[in-house]
Amino acid sequence: AAGVIQSPRHLIKEKRETATLKCYPIPRHDTVYWYQQGPGQDPQFLISFYEKMQSDKGSIPDRFSAQQFSDYHSELNMSSLELGDSALYFCASSLAPVDEQYFGPGTRLTVT
Amino acid sequence: SQQGEEDPQALSIQEGENATMNCSYKTSINNLQWYRQNSGRGLVHLILIRSNEREKHSGRLRVTLDTSKKSSSLLITASRAADTASYFCATDHIIQGAQKLVFGQGTRLTINP
Repeated sequence: AAGVIQSPRHLIKEKRETATLKCYPIPRHDTVYWYQQGPGQDPQFLISFYEKMQSDKGSIPDRFSAQQFSDYHSELNMSSLELGDSALYFCASSLAPVDEQYFGPGTRLTVT
Repeated sequence: SQQGEEDPQALSIQEGENATMNCSYKTSINNLQWYRQNSGRGLVHLILIRSNEREKHSGRLRVTLDTSKKSSSLLITASRAADTASYFCATDHIIQGAQKLVFGQGTRLTINP
């Protein structure tokens, strides 16, 4: 069965650079969620989208923005990267906002 | 304080023994989910239990939910070395029709051969 696809799987950036992470939800899933997991930390909710509109916002820095496109894929844009942004970034999708979330494999971002 | 607090934070047992991990939460939920994560890898969904369920089984996994105590437990029976991982509970929060998961800090489980 198709799963959530995230790209790239690994990304290395320098401080103050910009990064874009992509997420392709499971087909027919219209809801996408982004989570950040720092080293040794639990995943923290960043933001979610339903039908291309932002539906909820968590602890997402102002330097980050995200959107969901007409094909339901989502992109997380991160600017002015800081060392503390180094983390695993997970995307999850669900069939509807209240359904079970399925997680992608994550993108490991390293900021040097 | 944080929703979805888990204990113990670390657990080390011998292969073949049973492992029990607990999770407590603070607000009302619709469901509670358990995930496994191998070091630095993705989150693997293990089991979901709904607020109107008290117990659920899946293979060697047994999950209980006590909504009166706002707690859940995950039991792994006949543990194997491959069960070594971090285990997180996550509670769902639905605000204005939008759901987000709030994860606990996780229990690091080590199965010794």
